[in-house]
Amino acid sequence: QITLKESGPTLVKPTQTLTVTCNFSGFSLDTGGEGVGWIRQPPGKALEWLALIYWTDDKRFSPSLKSRLTITKDTSKNQVVLTMTNMHPVDTATYFCAHRIPSSNDIVFDMWGQGTVVTVSS
Amino acid sequence: SYELTQPPSVSVSPGQTARITCSADVLPRQYAYWYQQKPGQAPVLVMSKDTERPSGIPERFSGSTSGTIVTLTISGVQADDEADYFCQSADSSGTYVVFGGGTRLTVL
Repeated sequence: QITLKESGPTLVKPTQTLTVTCNFSGFSLDTGGEGVGWIRQPPGKALEWLALIYWTDDKRFSPSLKSRLTITKDTSKNQVVLTMTNMHPVDTATYFCAHRIPSSNDIVFDMWGQGTVVTVSS
Repeated sequence: SYELTQPPSVSVSPGQTARITCSADVLPRQYAYWYQQKPGQAPVLVMSKDTERPSGIPERFSGSTSGTIVTLTISGVQADDEADYFCQSADSSGTYVVFGGGTRLTVL
């Protein structure tokens, strides 16, 4: 059974760096095909894909946010960490991590965490 | 940039058929995927590769395509189907993911 859980600060000040962690179980990120992605959702708005890390440590980023994002994995801890620099109030959102279907040629997510709410405010 | 366009809202009565469209702005088009999201919950994958229903998803959910438009059809809509639905695809190279703006399905 695959589960994912996000954790991180609930409040971040403008210009600060956000670090959110995804702890997962039920799969290993050193197994071929596996990947973990991050998606966010501002209150009442659409989903926005942020980043993905593959088992190979290959990474993909949203073109519009690439300069602000870093994604890393710790296979021994079953963890993926996303950092986003220079946070602004418009970055206020629920941040989800999700498991990529390993058998797919596409990036598609079959299991999601419950999300962690991040508010950017001074 | 690659965009997916969805109608903001669709309303149907119980037992009727709901059709939610997702329009890509360029060809060739990558496969589309559909997620259902209920208030306060994480999204759930309800349609894969345009027309493939994941395990556990009711048969009343189906998918179809025509050119740049992908459609999620829910037959015999039930009250429990009331939710936001998001389509997802990728750019032509499959490098990055794009979500549609979402459609709020209201069951009258």
